Amino acid sequence: NAGVTQTPKFRVLKTGQSMTLLCAQDMNHEYMYWYRQDPGMGLRLIHYSVGEGTTAKGEVPDGYNVSRLKKQNFLLGLESAAPSQTSVYFCASTNTSLRGNEQYFGPGTRLTVT
Amino acid sequence: KQEVTQIPAALSVPEGENLVLNCSFTDSAIYNLQWFRQDPGKGLTSLLLIQSSQREQTSGRLNASLDKSSGRSTLYIAASQPGDSATYLCAVRGSSNTGKLIFGQGTTLQVKP
Repeated sequence: NAGVTQTPKFRVLKTGQSMTLLCAQDMNHEYMYWYRQDPGMGLRLIHYSVGEGTTAKGEVPDGYNVSRLKKQNFLLGLESAAPSQTSVYFCASTNTSLRGNEQYFGPGTRLTVT
Repeated sequence: KQEVTQIPAALSVPEGENLVLNCSFTDSAIYNLQWFRQDPGKGLTSLLLIQSSQREQTSGRLNASLDKSSGRSTLYIAASQPGDSATYLCAVRGSSNTGKLIFGQGTTLQVKP
C-alpha cells in the first residue's frame, strides 16, 4: 500500500494564480482531511470530508475549496492564491472502524505564493 | 473551544537521558489522543494513540500516558538516541463524529551525541 500520497510536492505560485492539490489514499478510508502547517501555529484544519460526495469547513477554510468526487481522492483548490497561503499542506485520512481512528498523513506539499 | 498546548517548545538533552514531553488540553471530552513525530521537511508519523478509556500506551522506548480528568498527556522517551531528534506533536480528537484533530504546536527535541 502507498498509504496517503500528495501531488505536487513543491509549487511556487504568483499572487492571483490558481492551483489544485491532489490527495489520494489506497486504504479505503472514509474520512479525509486537509491541514496547513505554519511556523509557530501548528497544524490547522482547512476542510474535511466524512465520505464520498461530502465536504465540510474546518478551522481556516477561507480562500480554499475542496471536492471529494471519489472515495480515494480529496482535492484542495486555491482559486486566487495569496501570499498568506504560503504554507505546507498535509492531507490525512482515517477509518473510523480501525485502531481508534488513527490518522495517517501524506508527505506534504510545500507551497510558496510570491 | 479545545486548545492544545505543548511545553517546552524546544528541548536539548545528551544521548542516553530519559525525557518527558508534555501535552495539555482544555476540554476533557476527548475521544482519543495521538502522538506524532515529524522530521524536518517531512510528514507526520503516528507514534502512539491512546483511547479516552486508556491510561497509557507503550511502543518500544516510548510510553504515552493520559489523564483525561486533568487534561494532560505525557510522552516518555527512555534512553534517548540522536535518531530521536525530531519535532513531536500531540493531537486530540474531540467527541464529535468528524474525526477532526486539534494539534499542539509541538516540541522540537535535539539529542546530542
